Amino acid sequence: EVQLVESGGGLVQPGGSLRLSCAASGFTFSSYWMHWVRQAPGKGLVWVSRINSDGSSTSYADSVKGRFTISRDNAKNTLYLQMNSLRAEDTAVYYCARVSVATFDYWGQGTLVTVSS
Amino acid sequence: QSALTQPASVSGSPGQSITISCTGTSSDVGGYNYVSWYQQHPGKAPKLMIYEVSNRPSGVSNRFSGSKSGNTASLTISGLQAEDEADYYCSSYTSSSFVFGGGTKLTVL
Repeated sequence: EVQLVESGGGLVQPGGSLRLSCAASGFTFSSYWMHWVRQAPGKGLVWVSRINSDGSSTSYADSVKGRFTISRDNAKNTLYLQMNSLRAEDTAVYYCARVSVATFDYWGQGTLVTVSS
Repeated sequence: QSALTQPASVSGSPGQSITISCTGTSSDVGGYNYVSWYQQHPGKAPKLMIYEVSNRPSGVSNRFSGSKSGNTASLTISGLQAEDEADYYCSSYTSSSFVFGGGTKLTVL
């Protein structure tokens, strides 16, 4: 069974940093591109970032470019999102998702990040 | 990248059919057959319902169907059931990233 379990969310002050993790199991993690998608409270889904299967290529939404860094450790079956210079507008539930043929086929349960003083 | 356009809400009675539209551009919906649809119940993670415009994953009811014409994709739910009440999001691939619709709240009357 495919499982994605996010962790690392919490309350952080504006300008602070946080690292999210996504532990994957039930599939060959190193074969799949992985993504982060976020959802602000009461709002819709927004694509944040993606990383290819071996970690050599990444891409970011303009709203987080230069502040967030996506990475992965295929030996640990874990995806990461390092978030720096956090702003109030980054407050959201962050989901990791597996992509297969341009489709988000499995999602984690999400982890809430709250940026507030 | 602008969000795809979905109606904010739709409603229908049990047993009826409803259709949710998702309008983009030639750079996303119109340019690729990589439109997918997700169902999200309150407090839950999104669930894949349709992929590559019109394909259903294993385990998804055949009451759910998808189509596309030009820059607009559509999700149709037939034989509405109470458990279909949820938020629905479309998504499209677009040159190395993805874009989502703003979401549609489906109310089953």
